[in-house]
Parts: sequence; structure tokens; C-alpha cells
Amino acid sequence: DARVTQTPRHKVTEMGQEVTMRCQPILGHNTVFWYRQTMMQGLELLAYFRNRAPLDDSGMPKDRFSAEMPDATLATLKIQPSEPRDSAVYFCASGPQETQYFGPGTRLLVL
Amino acid sequence: DQQVKQNSPSLSVQEGRISILNCDYTNSMFDYFLWYKKYPAEGPTFLISISSIKDKNEDGRFTVFLNKSAKHLSLHIVPSQPGDSAVYFCAASSIGGSEKLVFGKGTKLTVNP
Repeated sequence: DARVTQTPRHKVTEMGQEVTMRCQPILGHNTVFWYRQTMMQGLELLAYFRNRAPLDDSGMPKDRFSAEMPDATLATLKIQPSEPRDSAVYFCASGPQETQYFGPGTRLLVL
Repeated sequence: DQQVKQNSPSLSVQEGRISILNCDYTNSMFDYFLWYKKYPAEGPTFLISISSIKDKNEDGRFTVFLNKSAKHLSLHIVPSQPGDSAVYFCAASSIGGSEKLVFGKGTKLTVNP
């Protein structure tokens, strides 16, 4: 049963600290997406990759967020420095095309 | 500027009855539409989709209807079951464009036994 995995599932940190979230996409999926879910904005696309190359990161605050795919089995989303307004659930998804398969999310709380 | 709108934040129906969830979009370039279901503490899961060349797609108890002229789609669940209680997201993309999905803010469905 192939699925997208994300670590950690929960993270509590203090303002100013670095946060790194990791995602293992489904083997064979060449497109990986990062989303953020908040009550106010719903599900927002932050960035996505195809064949490990970044295609669009226009949804991401560039000064503090960065997304990478060091290899085909790992995608990372980093926030440095973190701020209380970054508190949200961050989802990774992978897919062949429009049908995206989501991971369980990382619930981030920045105090 | 929200391109995909789900105007009802919540919906409550009785078990066995029909649930109708609605979604409106503004971007005429959208040509592929999806519904995702999300349970608490889990990621969204794909439910059903429809291409703009169709006006209806059915999968078991789930049917999606598309009205292109009104830029409106709806998800019908018949009969509704308590296990259908979840948040439902409508999403849209343009196949000729990219794989980017634009999501609505979701409708929380509660099916009462």
C-alpha cells in the first residue's frame, strides 16, 4: 500500500528557530507538491517539483522558506527563522499529474 | 481573489438522504475538476474527478455534475452514510497548463445517524 510519508507529524518550536519538514513521495511519482493549510486560507500551494526540479515556488515567502529535493525519495521544506504566523498544517503530496496523493501532514506550532 | 469557492462552510444531513456539496469557480481556463475528502488528522484523499468535456461522472454513491456555463460543480452523495462525515474540498486545474491544483476552502459534512 504505497503512501506519502511525512516527518515529523507534530512540531512545537519557538519563534526564530529553524524548522525542517521531510516528505517521502510515492515511488515512481515524478511530481511533488508542498501545501499549507490554515483556517483562514484553506489549502495553499507553496511549491512544487517535477523530476526533482523546482517548477513553481511563487506561493512561498522567499525570505524564510526554502524547498528542495535532494533525491527522488526525499523532499524538504525549511523555515528559517520561524514565526508564529507560520503555525499551520503542512502537507506534502505526490502524483503522476492532477490526481495528487497527500501525506498525513506536519502540524507546526510556533510559539 | 479566490478562484475556487465553496460558499457553505458546513452541511448537516440525515443518514440515508442525499448530500449535495457545491463549488463555484471563476477561471474559465479550468478544465479539470476534482473532489477530495479529508478526515481529521489525515491528508486529503482523492474522491472523484471530472473533465470539462463531460457534465457528469459517477462512481458508486458519488456523482459529480459540471455546469460549465454557470462555472459550477456539485458533488452528490446518495445515500449518505455516517462514515462520509468529513471535510470535502473542491479543486480545479487546467490540464493544458500545469499540474497545479487550486483548492476551495472546504465544506464540512456531518451525516447524522
